Amino acid sequence: DTEVTQTPKHLVMGMTNKKSLKCEQHMGHRAMYWYKQKAKKPPELMFVYSYEKLSINESVPSRFSPECPNSSLLNLHLHALQPEDSALYLCASSQGAGTGNLEQYFGPGTRLTVT
Amino acid sequence: SQQGEEDPQALSIQEGENATMNCSYKTSINNLQWYRQNSGRGLVHLILIRSNEREKHSGRLRVTLDTSKKSSSLLITASRAADTASYFCATGEYGNKLVFGAGTILRVKS
Repeated sequence: DTEVTQTPKHLVMGMTNKKSLKCEQHMGHRAMYWYKQKAKKPPELMFVYSYEKLSINESVPSRFSPECPNSSLLNLHLHALQPEDSALYLCASSQGAGTGNLEQYFGPGTRLTVT
Repeated sequence: SQQGEEDPQALSIQEGENATMNCSYKTSINNLQWYRQNSGRGLVHLILIRSNEREKHSGRLRVTLDTSKKSSSLLITASRAADTASYFCATGEYGNKLVFGAGTILRVKS
C-alpha cells in the first residue's frame, strides 16, 4: 500500500468553528508532514513529525495544532481560523527519520475554505 | 522560504514534442527532487537526483544536475496530453526539510 489518505476532501468552516484534518499512511514511514498550498503557489512546510515527535514547526500560528497519535496517523486541529487560511492542506510521509534526502509521498489534500 | 526558481513559469507545447523545465537554487543541497501536481491534487514524486549525480533517467524523464551552477533541468520526451500539470523542483536539506520552487505549468495540446 503506497497511499497516503486524507479526510475530508473538502471542508468549509466558520471562523469560530473547531475542526480537524486527518491523514493516514500504512507504508511504515516514520516521518509525516503537513503542508499548506495557496492557489498557483508551491507547497509551504508547516510541521514535521519524526518518530511521532514534533521535530519542525515552521512558526505556524497556534490556531493550527498538529497531533500524531501513532506512527500511521497525523491530525491537524483547526480553531479560530481566518479567511486567509483558506488553502489546500497536504499531508505527506517519508521513510526513515524524516531526513530531507528522501522522496515524500503526498495525499490528495483537503481543500479548506474559511468563511 | 522558497529555494528554487523555475523557468519557464508556463510552457505550452504540442503532443509529441519535448518539454524542458529548469530549476535554479541558492544553497548547497543534499539532493534535488521533481514532483508533478495535477490541478488541485496532491503531488506525485517523479525523480530524485543526489548531489553527487549528474544525470538520471526514468521512463520518458531525464533530469540533470549541475551543482557548480546550482541548477537542474527536467526533460519530458514525447509529451502526452496526460503530462499537463504543474511541475515543481524541490531541494532536500538536512534536518527534515524539502523546499519547493515556484513551479512550471505545462500544457500539452492534443
